[in-house]
Amino acid sequence: DGGITQSPKYLFRKEGQNVTLSCEQNLNHDAMYWYRQDPGQGLRLIYYSQIVNDFQKGDIAEGYSVSREKKESFPLTVTSAQKNPTAFYLCASSMGGTAEAFFGQGTRLTVV
Amino acid sequence: SQQGEEDPQALSIQEGENATMNCSYKTSINNLQWYRQNSGRGLVHLILIRSNEREKHSGRLRVTLDTSKKSSSLLITASRAADTASYFCATAIYGNNRLAFGKGNQVVVIP
Repeated sequence: DGGITQSPKYLFRKEGQNVTLSCEQNLNHDAMYWYRQDPGQGLRLIYYSQIVNDFQKGDIAEGYSVSREKKESFPLTVTSAQKNPTAFYLCASSMGGTAEAFFGQGTRLTVV
Repeated sequence: SQQGEEDPQALSIQEGENATMNCSYKTSINNLQWYRQNSGRGLVHLILIRSNEREKHSGRLRVTLDTSKKSSSLLITASRAADTASYFCATAIYGNNRLAFGKGNQVVVIP
């Protein structure tokens, strides 16, 4: 089945730790995105990538890092520099910037 | 970045009634899209309407777009309990390789 997979579904991070969220797609999409969603809020764009080995900062990139070494994969690292990382993280992919986006099921990150 | 803004923010209706929600935006767009999100899940694409289209239908969904007023509406007819979700509009701007999402509109359909 084609789709986009995020793992893990739930993640707990201790203060000062870096954690990496996985996002894999088999839709052959060029573009991939990471969003952050806080309770009762919309989606805020963290990073996006239009092609392999290239990515751009979104609106709230501070404290996050990404890589795009393979077309299928776009992992997000939440670094210790992100002061308020507790949130729901959504990964998406699409054929291009204005096309419909396909979302993963999300990763809920909690700082303990 | 430009974002859509949905109105009303929350809506509670009886099963069988129609649900209407609106989205406004600020700049010229390539297209506008509506998504649904069930609690704790990812977003699911519902419908895309291009800037040169005025109305589009998909099953029980009807979307309108008024580019002169920079607004769109989503109508869900004959609502069902399974329609309970948050609904987001997203705008695609010319020359911009990203979608801008609104804050969402929570709809509760009471059986």
